[in-house]
Amino acid sequence: GAGVSQSPSNKVTEKGKDVELRCDPISGHTALYWYRQSLGQGLEFLIYFQGNSAPDKSGLPSDRFSAERTGGSVSTLTIQRTQQEDSAVYLCASSFSGNQPQHFGDGTRLSIL
Amino acid sequence: AQSVTQLGSHVSVSEGALVLLRCNYSSSVPPYLFWYVQYPNQGLQLLLKYTSAATLVKGINGFEAEFKKSETSFHLTKPSAHMSDAAEYFCAVSATGANSKLTFGKGITLSVRP
Repeated sequence: GAGVSQSPSNKVTEKGKDVELRCDPISGHTALYWYRQSLGQGLEFLIYFQGNSAPDKSGLPSDRFSAERTGGSVSTLTIQRTQQEDSAVYLCASSFSGNQPQHFGDGTRLSIL
Repeated sequence: AQSVTQLGSHVSVSEGALVLLRCNYSSSVPPYLFWYVQYPNQGLQLLLKYTSAATLVKGINGFEAEFKKSETSFHLTKPSAHMSDAAEYFCAVSATGANSKLTFGKGITLSVRP
């Protein structure tokens, strides 16, 4: 497709389980961002990838969160030992380069029981 | 450090009325500024952006915003609201360098009355 694709669209899991969220950016976009949208905190930056540079992980809330981007394309956000406060919508965005407008996917709605 | 303030959480207008959504920013460096719209269960869609060119920026769906450095504002307007404009609107700021991670305001929900 032409846009940013995220999967799954919804994920329900039990507290303590690990989850993986996937983002497929727009073809040719070198920059990729993850954000979290929650009722209490609004929209927050999590992590930024640009080409082969070291990612900016400054927004990750704890060491339970990690992300990788393989081959400069698809990215996976992993949350280990999930907690109820991790419940949120996780949004991925990509852009042609680091200072170009970002295009967002529809997000993954994560619910921790 | 950068921040965005969107006063109020909800604005209601009549169809055909002026839409005005306020945004003030704080930035230690010249910023880029954005307005995004979010419809239910969807991601964010870019309405318009300011990147240090013209201070009056025109976007999609008839929206525009004016960058006023002296007031540190970037308010969003539309002359005549349409029912389809009902959504949540986010103002965001980023640095102008390569890492343009966005800092968002809390968002404003726009309702349009028939």
